[in-house]
Amino acid sequence: SAVISQKPSRDICQRGTSLTIQCQVDSQVTMMFWYRQQPGQSLTLIATANQGSEATYESGFVIDKFPISRPNLTFSTLTVSNMSPEDSSIYLCSGGGDSTEAFFGQGTRLTVV
Amino acid sequence: AQSVTQPDIHITVSEGASLELRCNYSYGATPYLFWYVQSPGQGLQLLLKYFSGDTLVQGIKGFEAEFKRSQSSFNLRKPSVHWSDAAEYFCAVASSYKLIFGSGTRLLVRP
Repeated sequence: SAVISQKPSRDICQRGTSLTIQCQVDSQVTMMFWYRQQPGQSLTLIATANQGSEATYESGFVIDKFPISRPNLTFSTLTVSNMSPEDSSIYLCSGGGDSTEAFFGQGTRLTVV
Repeated sequence: AQSVTQPDIHITVSEGASLELRCNYSYGATPYLFWYVQSPGQGLQLLLKYFSGDTLVQGIKGFEAEFKRSQSSFNLRKPSVHWSDAAEYFCAVASSYKLIFGSGTRLLVRP
């Protein structure tokens, strides 16, 4: 199994600012994903972070709002841009080799005030 | 479209009692199915997964799940619940390397 570390674990941000969340995996993984979990809700996939190319975004999520980088097979970042209170959520990074495994970080709890 | 349904929003059981959490999926091919647990303020921990083979899957913390293709179900069970099992439980199906999650079931444990 892979161990996934996320930083920061939580943050309180002012509206209109941006926050970059880092995700580090302790081994190389083929796939990395970013999910959002709004308060009291389930997880929704934001995008697939592709190594060496642009991320693949799900319906309802756009690159201008959630730019993603993946410079190598163990690291990815998600930026939440121009934040509003509606962006207050837990953001989770996930990594795995294929459909047979998916491990999650502890998440980043974001509050926008 | 692929989907996962967890019909129970909340379940309350007494400590020591048995537990079954329901999960139904909609998927065209043989599904890859997962159960995760999320304790308050924590990320997701993988309890168990099913890909193929034996339809009864054993996981961590004494949990097991049974895949029933005829019922499109993948219910999670535990014979004796502990107070530390109180958490949110998510069922998920893998679709093109992505996970589609159910809405979750919150488990409350009575002393």
